[in-house]
Amino acid sequence: SAVISQKPSRDICQRGTSLTIQCQVDSQVTMMFWYRQQPGQSLTLIATANQGSEATYESGFVIDKFPISRPNLTFSTLTVSNMSPEDSSIYLCSVANQETQYFGPGTRLLVL
Amino acid sequence: QKEVEQNSGPLSVPEGAIASLNCTYSDRVSQSFFWYRQYSGKSPELIMSIYSNGDKEDGRFTAQLNKASQYVSLLIRDSQPSDSATYLCAVNEGGYQKVTFGTGTKLQVIP
Repeated sequence: SAVISQKPSRDICQRGTSLTIQCQVDSQVTMMFWYRQQPGQSLTLIATANQGSEATYESGFVIDKFPISRPNLTFSTLTVSNMSPEDSSIYLCSVANQETQYFGPGTRLLVL
Repeated sequence: QKEVEQNSGPLSVPEGAIASLNCTYSDRVSQSFFWYRQYSGKSPELIMSIYSNGDKEDGRFTAQLNKASQYVSLLIRDSQPSDSATYLCAVNEGGYQKVTFGTGTKLQVIP
């Protein structure tokens, strides 16, 4: 399995600001995903990060709010824009080469 | 819409007992099935994968798959308090497809 790191591991932000989360993998992977997990809830897929093209967003998530970059096969960023307290959550990067997905350690975000 | 259903629990079992976690899925073309364990405050960790009908054993864990019934389960033998976590069932059509996750079953192993 790939070794996945995320930065920052946690942050406290003010409403109206933006935060960029980085995901780095130790090997090239075909697919990268971004999930959100709110307290006590299950995983919600935000988008699939596509290398060299625009991300594919799930219903309810839009590029203006969650812009994603994927410049190469080992790195991706997720930005949470114009944050509100409702964005307080754990944000997880996930990678896959075929059908098996592995998760990074997550970024715990609190918006005040 | 593809769905993966799990009982949210909590499922409470005494230490040393067998914990049985169940999952059903709606998409008949699903090919790959996974169980993830998630401790509170941590990210999901893959513990089992199964691709064909029958049982697959790995230590104290056994995954069971019945494609005709669209049912997959996870048995944990000799349950330990350290097994207390939320267990996520996940299903994939195979190949380069995203995985669909269930909502998870919370397991509590009582010492």
